[in-house]
Amino acid sequence: DTGVSQNPRHKITKRGQNVTFRCDPISEHNRLYWYRQTLGQGPEFLTYFQNEAQLEKSRLLSDRFSAERPKGSFSTLEIQRTEQGDSAMYLCASSSGQDAAEKLFFGSGTQLSVL
Amino acid sequence: AQKITQTQPGMFVQEKEAVTLDCTYDTSDPSYGLFWYKQPSSGEMIFLIYQGSYDQQNATEGRYSLNFQKARKSANLVISASQLGDSAMYFCAMREGQQGGSEKLVFGKGTKLTVNP
Repeated sequence: DTGVSQNPRHKITKRGQNVTFRCDPISEHNRLYWYRQTLGQGPEFLTYFQNEAQLEKSRLLSDRFSAERPKGSFSTLEIQRTEQGDSAMYLCASSSGQDAAEKLFFGSGTQLSVL
Repeated sequence: AQKITQTQPGMFVQEKEAVTLDCTYDTSDPSYGLFWYKQPSSGEMIFLIYQGSYDQQNATEGRYSLNFQKARKSANLVISASQLGDSAMYFCAMREGQQGGSEKLVFGKGTKLTVNP
C-alpha cells in the first residue's frame, strides 16, 4: 500500500480554463476528503465522501467546483472557469474509521497555479 | 469565530531540547477530538497525535505528547528531544462530535518549527 496518491503534483493553467485533479485513496478506506490550503494557512475543508456518496460540502465549494467519487474508489475534483483566487494546494485525505479518533491520511497534494 | 488558534507563527528550538507548540480551541460540543499534524516542505500532512475530549489521560506517541487542559480549552503539543527532522509546519485541528454531524477537521494556521543544530 503506497498511501494516498494525488495527480498531478503541479498544474499551471490560464484563467478561465477548466482543471481536474485525481485522488486515489488507501484502498480499504471508505471515506475521502478534499481540502484546500493557501500559503500561510491551514487546510480548509471542501467536501467529504463516504463511499460514492458526497455527504458534506463546504460553503467554500462554489458552483464552479465539482467533486465525484464513482464506485467509491478514486475521486476527482474539477474546477471550471478557473480564477486566480483558486491558486492553492489541493489536498486529498482518506480514512476508514467509525469514530472521532480516526486519523486522516493525506496525499502530497496538487499545487494549482492560475495565471 | 475561529475554532482553532495557534498563536506562534514560528518557533525555534535547539536540537535535543524540548519544545511546546500552543493550541487553543473553541467549541460548545461536549464531544470532540483534537489532532496534531506535521507538514514538512514536501507538503504531505503527517498525523502525530490524537486526544479525545473524554480521554482521562494526556495522549502520548513516542516523542510527542499532548498537554490537554480541558477547562482552558488548550491542547498544546510537546516534542521532546528535538531532532533536525522535526523542522516543519505543525497544525492543530479539531473534529466536533457526531452530535454536530460534521466529519470535517478544522485546522489552525500552523506554527513553523525550526530545529537548530
